[in-house]
Amino acid sequence: NAGVTQTPKFQVLKTGQSMTLQCAQDMNHNSMYWYRQDPGMGLRLIYYSASEGTTDKGEVPNGYNVSRLNKREFSLRLESAAPSQTSVYFCAEGQGLDNEQFFGPGTRLTVL
Amino acid sequence: GQSLEQPSEVTAVEGAIVQINCTYQTSGFYGLSWYQQHDGGAPTFLSYNALDGLEETGRFSSFLSRSDSYGYLLLQELQMKDSASYFCAVEGRRDDKIIFGKGTRLHILP
Repeated sequence: NAGVTQTPKFQVLKTGQSMTLQCAQDMNHNSMYWYRQDPGMGLRLIYYSASEGTTDKGEVPNGYNVSRLNKREFSLRLESAAPSQTSVYFCAEGQGLDNEQFFGPGTRLTVL
Repeated sequence: GQSLEQPSEVTAVEGAIVQINCTYQTSGFYGLSWYQQHDGGAPTFLSYNALDGLEETGRFSSFLSRSDSYGYLLLQELQMKDSASYFCAVEGRRDDKIIFGKGTRLHILP
């Protein structure tokens, strides 16, 4: 039982490159989330998926796309990376008891 | 829209008690959660309040007043390992998105 896994752990991109961040969960919960975390800004929601087959925009969706491939997997795609997307990206899933969210270890992305 | 306010930093002494406040403005309210995050790590769940009152989990307690749109996290018998950032988070409706505050950095002095 790994909880939430994210790949890759680190990534460096050049401006304009594309990439997909992968997230998988084995806790059989319906909801999955993508957040970005920048210094002093807390966690900001990019996209979320309340159930398989549905996705909704969060606070900062511009420049990103998501795919809820199945109940386990929720991917985040950057089509044309920009330096402003340099951040730490966390995938999370829930709702467990008491609305708990479980977070993956994060992906540290640098866009040059 | 939704917004949450919490202090950016709090300092306390080892062994003491500290309270971290959170006020929120949301179009709906389902529950208030608290998360802890150590440097370089991922956030981990601490507590959840859906109803008014105090929830206690070991050294940590969380309080909610829905009428005041206010909650707090209380940490007792502070230990050096409690040095971390603490986030409050609000869910407006069941199974809806969860919005986080900007976090409170807790510094603990020996």
